[in-house]
Amino acid sequence: DSGVTQTPKHLITATGQRVTLRCSPRSGDLSVYWYQQSLDQGLQFLIQYYNGEERAKGNILERFSAQQFPDLHSELNLSSLELGDSALYFCASSPSGRLGYEQYFGPGTRLTVT
Amino acid sequence: AQSVSQHNHHVILSEAASLELGCNYSYGGTVNLFWYVQYPGQHLQLLLKYFSGDPLVKGIKGFEAEFIKSKFSFNLRKPSVQWSDTAEYFCAVNRGGGADGLTFGKGTHLIIQP
Repeated sequence: DSGVTQTPKHLITATGQRVTLRCSPRSGDLSVYWYQQSLDQGLQFLIQYYNGEERAKGNILERFSAQQFPDLHSELNLSSLELGDSALYFCASSPSGRLGYEQYFGPGTRLTVT
Repeated sequence: AQSVSQHNHHVILSEAASLELGCNYSYGGTVNLFWYVQYPGQHLQLLLKYFSGDPLVKGIKGFEAEFIKSKFSFNLRKPSVQWSDTAEYFCAVNRGGGADGLTFGKGTHLIIQP
């Protein structure tokens, strides 16, 4: 158990819908990262938040957005869902947003878009 | 942008065999290097990391990796594998001193036969 929690574990929804994935980082970690894992693209970095502010962006689609709240939990919002958005979404946390500190991964949310 | 290449997508070994998984990255600056393991149905766990200093790093469960800067490589090794090492192994990199998310390789699926 890494100490990072993600809810829900599984999510099935239809195309065109909107979903919200939730992540609680390890106690004391200020930085939260979101990743997408799919068969064709592999593991891809989406976005990072540090202490409530967006710090870095990766291959995140405009239909996707995220935020980090004052209690440091984070939410990833996926809208206008397409079949290709079906994937495992991982959240990771680290103590700092600098210097490439190691990241601790949560168990992931498996999203299926039908 | 950096990229990571893992040469072996599937590796099958017998117990007690030696293991070496290749990882090459492309980025001209200072990097931080990681190997993560994903056991079936579980989250990503950090095996080992390199930030600076001794290029030979030792991780958990008897794994080690060597950073060869001239070859842009960070190969993972284990002298004698066990059935419990069956898992997916990911090499990852981010920029030294930066706040980037991790760039992952496509992964190597390792199967250890008893």
